[in-house]
Amino acid sequence: EVQLVESGGGLVQPGGSLRLSCAASGFTFSTYAMSWVRQAPGKGLEWVSTLSGGGSSTYYADSVKGRFTISRDNSKNTLYLQMNSLRAEDTAVYYCAKGTNRGGTTDYWGQGTLVTVSS
Amino acid sequence: QSALTQPPSASGSPGQSVTISCTGTSSDVGGYNYVSWYQQHPGKAPKLMIYEVTKRPSGVPDRFSGSKSGNTASLTVSGLQAEDEADYYCSSYAGSNNFVVFGGGTKLTVL
Repeated sequence: EVQLVESGGGLVQPGGSLRLSCAASGFTFSTYAMSWVRQAPGKGLEWVSTLSGGGSSTYYADSVKGRFTISRDNSKNTLYLQMNSLRAEDTAVYYCAKGTNRGGTTDYWGQGTLVTVSS
Repeated sequence: QSALTQPPSASGSPGQSVTISCTGTSSDVGGYNYVSWYQQHPGKAPKLMIYEVTKRPSGVPDRFSGSKSGNTASLTVSGLQAEDEADYYCSSYAGSNNFVVFGGGTKLTVL
């Protein structure tokens, strides 16, 4: 059974940093792309970033490019999202999602972790 | 990265069919057969219902079907049931620069 468990969310001041983690199990982690998708309170889904299985290809939404960094440790079956220079508009539930390696499709999602950027 | 366009709401009575549209451009929906649909109940994570325009993951009822014509994709839910009431989001591959774009979501109400 595929399981994705996010952690690392919390309250941070504007301009601050936070690192999210996603622990994966139930599949061969290193062979699948992984993504982060966020959802601001009461709003829709917004794709944030995707990283290929081997870690060589990264993709970012314009809204986070230059501030967020996606990475993975395939030996620990863990996906990360380093978030710097956080802004109020980054406040959202951040979901980790497993890719299918075909066209950005994601087939399993974690339960999400809430990031609140506020002074 | 412009969002795909979905109607904010849709509704139908139990047993009826409802179709939700998702309009993009030739750079996303119209350019690739990588349209997905996700169902999200309140407070829950999204669940994949349709991928690659028409395919259903294992376990998704065949009441859910997808299609595409030009730059517009559609999700049809037939034989509406109370548990189908949820938010539905479409997404599309948008090439190596923008990668993935989501629609704004449609709230489906079962009357």
